[in-house]
Amino acid sequence: DTGVSQNPRHKITKRGQNVTFRCDPISEHNRLYWYRQTLGQGPEFLTYFQNEAQLEKSRLLSDRFSAERPKGSFSTLEIQRTEQGDSAMYLCASSREPGAGGTDTQYFGPGTRLTVL
Amino acid sequence: AQSVTQLDSQVPVFEEAPVELRCNYSSSVSVYLFWYVQYPNQGLQLLLKYLSGSTLVKGINGFEAEFNKSQTSFHLRKPSVHISDTAEYFCAVSDGPSSASKIIFGSGTRLSIRP
Repeated sequence: DTGVSQNPRHKITKRGQNVTFRCDPISEHNRLYWYRQTLGQGPEFLTYFQNEAQLEKSRLLSDRFSAERPKGSFSTLEIQRTEQGDSAMYLCASSREPGAGGTDTQYFGPGTRLTVL
Repeated sequence: AQSVTQLDSQVPVFEEAPVELRCNYSSSVSVYLFWYVQYPNQGLQLLLKYLSGSTLVKGINGFEAEFNKSQTSFHLRKPSVHISDTAEYFCAVSDGPSSASKIIFGSGTRLSIRP
């Protein structure tokens, strides 16, 4: 399978705990994106990387959230001191950068569903 | 700022009937529009996209959409739906000059197909 993969697929945690999610993009894609989707809503943009550089962060990404892509391949999204309002599906996507040849469509992973009790 | 509005949260239709899912956009610059589909317990999949050129865009699974600049719309259509089309459909707009930019999604339309 050469698609975007995310782990874990499901995470249940207690309020106040820290959680970390991992995303592995399609191998030739140098852009990687994180979105959050709450029940009954469309995905909301959180942040994106080109290689290891974080190019844009949404105001939705509070100080408790941090994303990294240290070697320009996989990425991690950490949430510290989780709150019940953090319960959502966290989606990762990847794409080529514009002008790199081929399509620059974003391809999405299956998501990590977080439940904060 | 870019935004999209999906006018219907749910659309029930009978199998083999035609369907139209409505989407209106707001943009101050060149528009790059998408329709994504999310099947139950699966990730988002691109149905089709409009970047430039012909205003009628054909996608996968028999879907097509028409870009209408004067009405700021990008409605999704299929002439005959199948049970397997049951899913959530999201209209979206790129916040940049390509697909490889922040994407802003609508709130979704749940398409339910009745036999």
